[in-house]
Amino acid sequence: EPEVTQTPSHQVTQMGQEVILRCVPISNHLYFYWYRQILGQKVEFLVSFYNNEISEKSEIFDDQFSVERPDGSNFTLKIRSTKLEDSAMYFCASKRGTDTQYFGPGTRLTVL
Amino acid sequence: ILNVEQSPQSLHVQEGDSTNFTCSFPSSNFYALHWYRWETAKSPEALFVMTLNGDEKKKGRISATLNTKEGYSYLYIKGSQPEDSATYLCASRVPTGNQFYFGTGTSLTVIP
Repeated sequence: EPEVTQTPSHQVTQMGQEVILRCVPISNHLYFYWYRQILGQKVEFLVSFYNNEISEKSEIFDDQFSVERPDGSNFTLKIRSTKLEDSAMYFCASKRGTDTQYFGPGTRLTVL
Repeated sequence: ILNVEQSPQSLHVQEGDSTNFTCSFPSSNFYALHWYRWETAKSPEALFVMTLNGDEKKKGRISATLNTKEGYSYLYIKGSQPEDSATYLCASRVPTGNQFYFGTGTSLTVIP
């Protein structure tokens, strides 16, 4: 069964460094999402992406964040200058149309 | 921000017991309700998508109901098994946009 994959599974970085989190959505899916979950808190929406552009973003998704679909298979989330409060699990999800989203296993980001 | 709540936060049941838990969401701003099953270190797995008031969906021993007028959904597990141990997440989707608003999840532990 096709699945969403994410790399790396765990990323440790120093405050102020740039990180890129990678996702490979399910191949015939058209909508792509990033979510995060800070430890002990709810899963929060960051951004949705469709037709090669951002379709919606939350207030969390400020200028420090960007997304790209560089080659038709990968979907990346970049954080330009990481802060301590960016430490969280980051989940990628994709969906084909009006059906449900399928989630990846997440990348745990630790900012020191 | 949509306030989606789940209760209880955690639950311990004996193998063979049936159990249920609740997801509540604002009924005034509703499009669809999604249930996910999330085992530690794995991707959240889609269980149900529900849209219509009175919807009832079933997948094996797991079923869910939806009341959009009062803003709640119940998830039932009949004859719990240890492999049912997981966090069960619900997410509400609003009519406009692509955002999913998640609850905090119910952590279920089934004791053999």
